[in-house]
Amino acid sequence: TQLLKQSPQFLSIQEGENLTVYCNSSSVFSSLQWYRQEPGEGPVLLVTVVTGGEVKKLKRLTFQFGDARKDSSLHITAAQPGDTGLYLCAGEGEYGNKLVFGAGTILRVKS
Amino acid sequence: EAQVTQNPRYLITVTGKKLTVTCSQNMNHEYMSWYRQDPGLGLRQIYYSMNVEVTDKGDVPEGYKVSRKEKRNFPLILESPSPNQTSLYFCASSFRGLNEKLFFGSGTQLSVL
Repeated sequence: TQLLKQSPQFLSIQEGENLTVYCNSSSVFSSLQWYRQEPGEGPVLLVTVVTGGEVKKLKRLTFQFGDARKDSSLHITAAQPGDTGLYLCAGEGEYGNKLVFGAGTILRVKS
Repeated sequence: EAQVTQNPRYLITVTGKKLTVTCSQNMNHEYMSWYRQDPGLGLRQIYYSMNVEVTDKGDVPEGYKVSRKEKRNFPLILESPSPNQTSLYFCASSFRGLNEKLFFGSGTQLSVL
């Protein structure tokens, strides 16, 4: 069974600070996705990274896929209260048609 | 508006009473899937369907059934619910599979007493 470990589990920071969320596994994934989920709603896809070493930017969010395609990180620059939510990483399994989710990182940005 | 619609949003039931959670998408997606979300465990896949009449087990299929008689609908059936099936359930769909954007419904919070 492929597992994805996210860290930290919880993060509470002040507006304007930077932060990084990590997603690690001992398994190789075909691709890795990052989602953001707000209370009472389903996850919403932020980005998909496919190539080892790939870096994608979405405004203040930077996503990186590890060279070996076993890990990924999400970096937020100058966090804002609107960034508050649950961030989930998900890897496309080796057998396809399955997404393996991490347990998530709860981010709270205080103004 | 393109969306995945789940019903009901909240459901409280008792052990053993059969229930169905409906899921419908209006995007003509071929791929549909059910997940359950539990604290500290993330989302775990229950069942998925690549197309009409094609379904397959995910990681935690025990105690659940699904059917895909039409492209737009993918109901989740609990024949005899038990308290360990108390969870937040999400239906999701994509055009063809996981290499395409996955759209999630708003969730169904189920409590089995």
